[in-house]
Amino acid sequence: RKEVEQDPGPFNVPEGATVAFNCTYSNSASQSFFWYRQDCRKEPKLLMSVYSSGNEDGRFTAQLNRASQYISLLIRDSKLSDSATYLCVVNYGQNFVFGPGTRLSVLP
Amino acid sequence: DAGVIQSPRHEVTEMGQEVTLRCKPISGHNSLFWYRQTMMRGLELLIYFNNNVPIDDSGMPEDRFSAKMPNASFSTLKIQPSEPRDSAVYFCASSSLSGRVDEQFFGPGTRLTVL
Repeated sequence: RKEVEQDPGPFNVPEGATVAFNCTYSNSASQSFFWYRQDCRKEPKLLMSVYSSGNEDGRFTAQLNRASQYISLLIRDSKLSDSATYLCVVNYGQNFVFGPGTRLSVLP
Repeated sequence: DAGVIQSPRHEVTEMGQEVTLRCKPISGHNSLFWYRQTMMRGLELLIYFNNNVPIDDSGMPEDRFSAKMPNASFSTLKIQPSEPRDSAVYFCASSSLSGRVDEQFFGPGTRLTVL
């Protein structure tokens, strides 16, 4: 089993739709969790950290479920500019692992 | 402010040749990371340095790969000899906090093609 797994995608959704991604991790000692966004042929950039109590940043909501060992990202009212690959990242100690990413295409 | 700088941006070489990728981290950052990204394997950490010292190189695929950080403002990743399976995008990232991934800023990457 891979350390970090994500929905394979691609997700093709119309503008304005709500879309959710899940990410599961295998190491129960994982301490920190993040979502990164990567545009086509660009570098990854931090989207948001994921806190135990869940957190929201505008149209984006991240949640953590330690018992089931997964994190999620919810995007509301999706925009064309949200089209990208979303990578979840799991960190424990000085180790950190990127998930394979989920590709999102928001269609007009 | 200048971000992480990588060079070259694109490299095409023939199998067996030596390849050197370069990275200049953000000034003041004391951690530097080298990643490789392919469609098949996603983004993989190869090695990272704290204060110019290699901390974890367990991700380096084999002896053909080596990385150095002679000073706080420069690092190299060398592949010798290169093979077609090394074709990938290689990212360098830097961080101001030891090991914290949320503080990492990525460079634009070097797209390597080995023929």
